[in-house]
Amino acid sequence: NAGVTQTPKFQVLKTGQSMTLQCAQDMNHNSMYWYRQDPGMGLRLIYYSASEGTTDKGEVPNGYNVSRLNKREFSLRLESAAPSQTSVYFCAIRKISSYEQYFGPGTRLTVT
Amino acid sequence: AQKITQTQPGMFVQEKEAVTLDCTYDTSDQSYGLFWYKQPSSGEMIFLIYQGSYDEQNATEGRYSLNFQKARKSANLVISASQLGDSAMYFCAMRDPSNTGNQFYFGTGTSLTVIP
Repeated sequence: NAGVTQTPKFQVLKTGQSMTLQCAQDMNHNSMYWYRQDPGMGLRLIYYSASEGTTDKGEVPNGYNVSRLNKREFSLRLESAAPSQTSVYFCAIRKISSYEQYFGPGTRLTVT
Repeated sequence: AQKITQTQPGMFVQEKEAVTLDCTYDTSDQSYGLFWYKQPSSGEMIFLIYQGSYDEQNATEGRYSLNFQKARKSANLVISASQLGDSAMYFCAMRDPSNTGNQFYFGTGTSLTVIP
């Protein structure tokens, strides 16, 4: 989706390393989300941010932190990566007046 | 407990035929929303259709329609006149406003293959 960008596209980490996944939007939407997608598990919500400066836990927040410093950007941080965090990570946005989410292209993360 | 259940891991349909992908959901709230997303092999997530719990009519978007049966807690996706480009994973999702109002739950998906 052209409105949501994620960096990096691919990343390989060693156990214990840290990294930050970046998400940026140019659609001026308030709500932003981080999901992970594992084979056979569908998408699971990690954290979300209903507006600038606010964040809330989703279904699987353990091992992650997030930061919403401005309306455009929502970052996801892994402080000490574990092999269980190997996954594809999607950022999504949603405008207040509707419920559908628009997703970024995803970041494929491998932790060895 | 599983919020969204998709019981069909894989489905096949002949080109130009209609196909129904099943989805059941679990919520105690009266206000909620149901969605379907498509994920082609390229990996992006594409929004298809939305149904609000208070909507009396079934949602339709082009060849997609959502068969909403509230009492049975089901929200099946019907794709009419299947095309080869419809081959993809399909995910059912629910917006559950309990908790803080922004929780979304996804099912495990159904892989649809359209046969020429």
